[in-house]
Amino acid sequence: GQSLEQPSEVTAVEGAIVQINCTYQTSGFYGLSWYQQHDGGAPTFLSYNALDGLEETGRFSSFLSRSDSYGYLLLQELQMKDSASYFCAVRSPGGGFKTIFGAGTRLFVKA
Amino acid sequence: EAGVTQFPSHSVIEKGQTVTLRCDPISGHDNLYWYRRVMGKEIKFLLHFVKESKQDESGMPNNRFLAERTGGTYSTLKVQPAELEDSGVYFCASSQGSEQYFGPGTRLTVT
Repeated sequence: GQSLEQPSEVTAVEGAIVQINCTYQTSGFYGLSWYQQHDGGAPTFLSYNALDGLEETGRFSSFLSRSDSYGYLLLQELQMKDSASYFCAVRSPGGGFKTIFGAGTRLFVKA
Repeated sequence: EAGVTQFPSHSVIEKGQTVTLRCDPISGHDNLYWYRRVMGKEIKFLLHFVKESKQDESGMPNNRFLAERTGGTYSTLKVQPAELEDSGVYFCASSQGSEQYFGPGTRLTVT
C-alpha cells in the first residue's frame, strides 16, 4: 500500500524552531511537497523537493532524503500565524501525477 | 489572476439525494484534481484530469461518484445517491507544474 506518516500534533513557542517529519512508503516517487492549511481554509503550497537536500524559502525549509524515504519541514522564528495543519504529500506516477497526502500535523504556536 | 473556485461552499443533503459539486480551475491549467478530507483525516486523492481526460481515478470510492470535465475547463463531481459516509470537505486543485493550487473546498454534510 501507499502511506505517509507524520506526527499528529506539535506544540512550540513563538520565536522557536520546529521540525515536522514525514516518512513515506509509495509505489513510485517523483517528489515530496508540503502544504499548509489554516482552519476552514484551502491547503496552500509551501515547498517541493524532487532531489535530495535542503530547500530554503524564507522562514521555511524543506529537506528530502530519497534513500531514507524521509523528509521534513523546518519552520524558524515561529509566529502565532504559523498555527495551522501541515501536510506532506508525495507525487507519484499513476497514469498522471497522483498526489498522496499524509494525515497532517497540527502545529500549535504558543506565546 | 483568479484562483481556483468551488461551488457551493456548503451543502447539506439527506441520504439518498444527489449533489453536484463544481470546480473552476485556474485558467490555462491542464491538470485538475479532486480530493476529499473527512474530519481529522488525510486529504484523500479522488481523481486527476488532464484537460478533459481522466488520467487517474483510482481514488474514487465507488460508482456513486461521477466526475466530468467536458471541454477541459470546469469540472463537476456528482454524488448519487449520497450516503452518510460521503460527508466531508471536497477540495479541487489545479496545476501546470509541481505546485497545486487548491480551491476553498465544498463542505458536504449528508444527514
